[in-house]
Amino acid sequence: NAGVTQTPKFQVLKTGQSMTLQCAQDMNHNSMYWYRQDPGMGLRLIYYSASEGTTDKGEVPNGYNVSRLNKREFSLRLESAAPSQTSVYFCALRPGQLNSPLHFGNGTRLTVT
Amino acid sequence: DAKTTQPNSMESNEEEPVHLPCNHSTISGTDYIHWYRQLPSQGPEYVIHGLTSNVNNRMASLAIAEDRKSSTLILHRATLRDAAVYYCIPYTNAGKSTFGDGTTLTVKP
Repeated sequence: NAGVTQTPKFQVLKTGQSMTLQCAQDMNHNSMYWYRQDPGMGLRLIYYSASEGTTDKGEVPNGYNVSRLNKREFSLRLESAAPSQTSVYFCALRPGQLNSPLHFGNGTRLTVT
Repeated sequence: DAKTTQPNSMESNEEEPVHLPCNHSTISGTDYIHWYRQLPSQGPEYVIHGLTSNVNNRMASLAIAEDRKSSTLILHRATLRDAAVYYCIPYTNAGKSTFGDGTTLTVKP
């Protein structure tokens, strides 16, 4: 999925450890999103950012923080990881135009033991 | 937020048409219907979207009911590469797109 780069691709953490998931884009899109997907489930929105410097909570924000310091990057931080945060995390982009589609990255697979 | 209902799973034979239904009876008058699909181990990819009229593109067709309470994604000739989870999403202006569990499509050779 050229245009959206998520790092790392895989990560294993112990309970209580912290980490930051990175999402970077080269598509110059305004809106960026973080979703999580648990096994066999659909995607749930964690946080989103409509533009540089702004962020809003989605459905499941507890246990996460985000940062949108510039237009290109949107990071997701787990301050104290818990096993319930084991999931695949997807970053998505959307241009500013009304009803434009989302463009997804390939995800970060996180396991918390 | 508008809720959607999709069958958990569907099966199709290769090279046959597939009709994937979605109910969205609480959708607002200005919400477009977006469809995405997710191949194994990948992020979702956009398929098609529409408001009131039927829509066609190179991937699929979208038929929207006159009352807008339901829609159907049509794959005209299913291939093995179309095996995926298909999501129907009402697209709110706030951008808070919520994905349900979708329909898992199995394509048999």
